Amino acid sequence: DGGITQSPKYLFRKEGQNVTLSCEQNLNHDAMYWYRQDPGQGLRLIYYSQIVNDFQKGDIAEGYSVSREKKESFPLTVTSAQKNPTAFYLCASSIRGNQPQHFGDGTRLSIL
Amino acid sequence: RKEVEQDPGPFNVPEGATVAFNCTYSNSASQSFFWYRQDCRKEPKLLMSVYSSGNEDGRFTAQLNRASQYISLLIRDSKLSDSATYLCVSWDGGATNKLIFGTGTLLAVQP
Repeated sequence: DGGITQSPKYLFRKEGQNVTLSCEQNLNHDAMYWYRQDPGQGLRLIYYSQIVNDFQKGDIAEGYSVSREKKESFPLTVTSAQKNPTAFYLCASSIRGNQPQHFGDGTRLSIL
Repeated sequence: RKEVEQDPGPFNVPEGATVAFNCTYSNSASQSFFWYRQDCRKEPKLLMSVYSSGNEDGRFTAQLNRASQYISLLIRDSKLSDSATYLCVSWDGGATNKLIFGTGTLLAVQP
């Protein structure tokens, strides 16, 4: 089945630690996105990539980093510079930027 | 002003009722719109795309009013399973090429 796979489902981060969230898609989509959702709030865009080897900052990129070395993969690293990382992280992909985005089932990140 | 604004609700309606949500957008150049459904602690799932004046899919009807810059979602014959948060989304277009999400409207269908 085609889809977007995020892992892990739950992740705990210690102080000063970097953690990486995985996002893989087999939909052959060009564009991929990372969002953060806090309780009772909307989705906020962290980073997005419209093509392999290229990505742009979203609205809240500080404290995060990404790479897009392969079309199907768009990992997100939450660095120690992100002081409030506890949130629900959602990865999405679309054929192109103006097309609907399809989401993975998310990763819940908490601080230990 | 938020780029996409929605009434957060909650909308509490009985089963079988008809309910409508409105959403306003600020970017007059937006061309594509979508409605997503998000269940509690789950990922958003695409409900409908709205590319022109409107779209209908079974009990769900979406309408677009470009002059007033709003999109509506109408749900007829509400089911308990329709209880969720409904997200209004516009495509930013232009150089940024981003989707802009509203914060969502919570619907609770009561038995």
